[in-house]
Amino acid sequence: DTGVSQDPRHKITKRGQNVTFRCDPISEHNRLYWYRQTLGQGPEFLTYFQNEAQLEKSRLLSDRFSAERPKGSFSTLEIQRTEQGDSAMYLCASSLVGTSGDTQYFGPGTRLTVL
Amino acid sequence: GQQVMQIPQYQHVQEGEDFTTYCNSSTTLSNIQWYKQRPGGHPVFLIQLVKSGEVKKQKRLTFQFGEAKKNSSLHITATQTTDVGTYFCAGPATGSSNTGKLIFGQGTTLQVKP
Repeated sequence: DTGVSQDPRHKITKRGQNVTFRCDPISEHNRLYWYRQTLGQGPEFLTYFQNEAQLEKSRLLSDRFSAERPKGSFSTLEIQRTEQGDSAMYLCASSLVGTSGDTQYFGPGTRLTVL
Repeated sequence: GQQVMQIPQYQHVQEGEDFTTYCNSSTTLSNIQWYKQRPGGHPVFLIQLVKSGEVKKQKRLTFQFGEAKKNSSLHITATQTTDVGTYFCAGPATGSSNTGKLIFGQGTTLQVKP
């Protein structure tokens, strides 16, 4: 399968624990995005990378959140000291700059539940 | 801040009836994109509209971009049970036309009764 993949698909953790999610974009895509989606809402932008550079971060992304894309391929999103309000679906998307419309292809998401 | 709003939030129709969802942006958009998310799934890109007044069709789906490039609509003719899901519109964040950062509406969830 050559689509965007995310791991794990589900994560249940206790409040205060750290969690890390991984996203593998479509191989030739140079942009990678992280979004968060809660029930009944559309995806909310968190951050994005062009190659290995993190170019923009949302104000939603508190200092407990950090994202990396060390070699311009896969990316990780870490949440430290999780809170119940962090419970959501975390979606990754990738795109190829230069193509018409910069179409974003989403992965299946990681559903985080913080107890 | 910039907002993208969709109405209605939910729509229940009988199979075979038509369905329309409306999208309004607080700012002028360079383009508008539509995504579909099936229950338990992830957003899947449907289409992008760029030109003022543009109309595009995909089989039973008709997408329209308003003249002022601040609103859009998606119309489904003769709905089928396979059309069930949530339809999102999304536009580039103002000042971010080259980043791809998207602002999504809250979506319209379509239920189709067979």
